[in-house]
Amino acid sequence: QKEVEQNSGPLSVPEGAIASLNCTYSDRVSQSFFWYRQYSGKSPELIMSIYSNGDKEDGRFTAQLNKASQYVSLLIRDSQPSDSATYLCAVDMDSNYQLIWGAGTKLIIKP
Amino acid sequence: EAGVAQSPRYKIIEKRQSVAFWCNPISGHATLYWYQQILGQGPKLLIQFQNNGVVDDSQLPKDRFSAERLKGVDSTLKIQPAKLEDSAVYLCASSLMTAMNTEAFFGQGTRLTVV
Repeated sequence: QKEVEQNSGPLSVPEGAIASLNCTYSDRVSQSFFWYRQYSGKSPELIMSIYSNGDKEDGRFTAQLNKASQYVSLLIRDSQPSDSATYLCAVDMDSNYQLIWGAGTKLIIKP
Repeated sequence: EAGVAQSPRYKIIEKRQSVAFWCNPISGHATLYWYQQILGQGPKLLIQFQNNGVVDDSQLPKDRFSAERLKGVDSTLKIQPAKLEDSAVYLCASSLMTAMNTEAFFGQGTRLTVV
C-alpha cells in the first residue's frame, strides 16, 4: 500500500517564526514531490516541487528532500497570518504520474 | 494562460438523483484527474486520464460513478444514483506530464451536497 503521511495538526506558529511541515512516504523509488497549499473552501494550489535530494528555495519557502529517509519537508520563514492554510504533500510514487496525497497539515499563524 | 475550468461550482441534489460535472483542462495538458475531497481529508483520486485513455480508475465506484474524456480534452464525471456519502468537493486537475513537469493544476471544484 503506497502511503503519504502527514501530521494533521493543527500546527500553531507565531507570526514571524519558521513553520516546519513534514511528510513521509512509503515508496523508496518515488521521484517527484510536491507541496500544495489549500485555503479553506478553495482548491489546492502548487507552491513547491522538488525532484532531487537537498534543499530548494523559493522566496520564503524551502523544500527539503531526503530520499534515503523517505521524507520531504516544507519550511516557511517569516510566517505571516496569510500562510494559515492546510498544506498537502503529494508524491509521484511510481513515475506513472499517479500522485499519492497526504491528508494535509493545518497550519495556523498567530499574530 | 487559462486555468482548469469546472462547472457547476455548487450543486444540491436529493439522494438517488443523478448529477454531472464538467471539466476543461489547461490547453495542451494530456493528463486529467478527477478527485473527491471530503472535508478535512486530502484529495482522493477517482480517475486519471492520459489523453482519452484511462490510466487509473481503481478507486472509482463504478456501480454509480462514470467518467469520460471526449477527444482527449474536456471531461465529464457523472454520479447516478447519488448517495448521501457522495457529498464532497469534486476537483478536476490537469498536468502537462513531461519527465520534469508533473505538477497538477486544479480547477475551483464543484461542491456537491446530497440531501
